[in-house]
Amino acid sequence: GAVVSQHPSRVICKSGTSVKIECRSLDFQATTMFWYRQFPKQSLMLMATSNEGSKATYEQGVEKDKFLINHASLTLSTLTVTSAHPEDSSFYICSARDRRPLGTEAFFGQGTRLTVV
Amino acid sequence: GEDVEQSLFLSVREGDSSVINCTYTDSSSTYLYWYKQEPGAGLQLLTYIFSNMDMKQDQRLTVLLNKKDKHLSLRIADTQTGDSAIYFCAEPLGSARQLTFGSGTQLTVLP
Repeated sequence: GAVVSQHPSRVICKSGTSVKIECRSLDFQATTMFWYRQFPKQSLMLMATSNEGSKATYEQGVEKDKFLINHASLTLSTLTVTSAHPEDSSFYICSARDRRPLGTEAFFGQGTRLTVV
Repeated sequence: GEDVEQSLFLSVREGDSSVINCTYTDSSSTYLYWYKQEPGAGLQLLTYIFSNMDMKQDQRLTVLLNKKDKHLSLRIADTQTGDSAIYFCAEPLGSARQLTFGSGTQLTVLP
């Protein structure tokens, strides 16, 4: 199947700093990428939908100034957690959908475990 | 209801069959998905079913779809310890067909 690479897999940062997470589709082009957040023992909650070349669409309750999303190319989207605080500690997962007409599956990155101390 | 619903826990003995159930929300969803998540890892697409199908079988996995009741199930035959994980059903909702996930079912396989 298609491969989505997410980097880094784990990061520990100090409170007040910013962290950038990258999501790459390695063998397909993705016009749309999605960013999810997952708290321990909970389901995935969609944070935002990232469209190549345009502004991201954020879900209700997600601060767009805190979670900056950039989708500069058909293979790369980034999520920057700005001025991170301990409550931002979570598991962040991206997914990408192949742009081909029959590409209905969404493929997921391996996730990024963010710990803010 | 408005949520994709799953039971939270399921325990089976190795070699038995596992059946994980899901109730989804939108009867017009064209595809429905099952994902597997192992501890600390991302999601792995297991299988999906097109809405005009009642059943799909892929090796040890069988997906059953009841559109009338908006009920989806995943059966794992000959369950192995390596199948222990959280299983999420998902349906595409919204203009971008973003996936909405159930709560996940923690499958524990006992020796």
